[in-house]
Amino acid sequence: NAGVTQTPKFQVLKTGQSMTLQCAQDMNHEYMSWYRQDPGMGLRLIHYSVGAGITDQGEVPNGYNVSRSTTEDFPLRLLSAAPSQTSVYFCASRRGQGGGYTFGSGTRLTVV
Amino acid sequence: AQTVTQSQPEMSVQEAETVTLSCTYDTSESDYYLFWYKQPPSRQMILVIRQEAYKQQNATENRFSVNFQKAAKSFSLKISDSQLGDAAMYFCAFSQGAQKLVFGQGTRLTINP
Repeated sequence: NAGVTQTPKFQVLKTGQSMTLQCAQDMNHEYMSWYRQDPGMGLRLIHYSVGAGITDQGEVPNGYNVSRSTTEDFPLRLLSAAPSQTSVYFCASRRGQGGGYTFGSGTRLTVV
Repeated sequence: AQTVTQSQPEMSVQEAETVTLSCTYDTSESDYYLFWYKQPPSRQMILVIRQEAYKQQNATENRFSVNFQKAAKSFSLKISDSQLGDAAMYFCAFSQGAQKLVFGQGTRLTINP
């Protein structure tokens, strides 16, 4: 049971670089989301998807892009990294409404 | 917009005793879901317990139980017989319909041996 797999676990970027955080789930879940966690602020939603081909913005979408071409994968793209994007990023998925989200193990991103 | 508030940034309890973590939320909806998540130092987010708003009965999972007061918009977590492995950040979260989870700021729980 892989659950939700995030790669990489750690990443250091220089300001202005771009990269993609990978997220894959093997539970056939419809809903997938990306959150960022900053100290003292809990988790904030970046983007989410309710199914393949459908995405929408969350609370803090600026500087990030997503797509959902398959049920399994939901990558998060940082277009031009900024120090303000230094954070821990979590991908999560759930089967339907009301279900508890299953989280990946997170990616710690540092932008210098 | 829905908001979730955890008013206790830190709590501590003696091992084997009981502790209650507080959570309040704000919504105009009548059908929604509430969750408590645990985040140990490993950083993994672990679902502890889930409550459906249309169910009056409080959810329980072994040593974990909730006190769900819908009219007061309150959703507290009680941990009985606290164990060292319960030490973690605890997040209260709200979800309505097909949408996102909205998280509180978290409560750091320390277990004293």
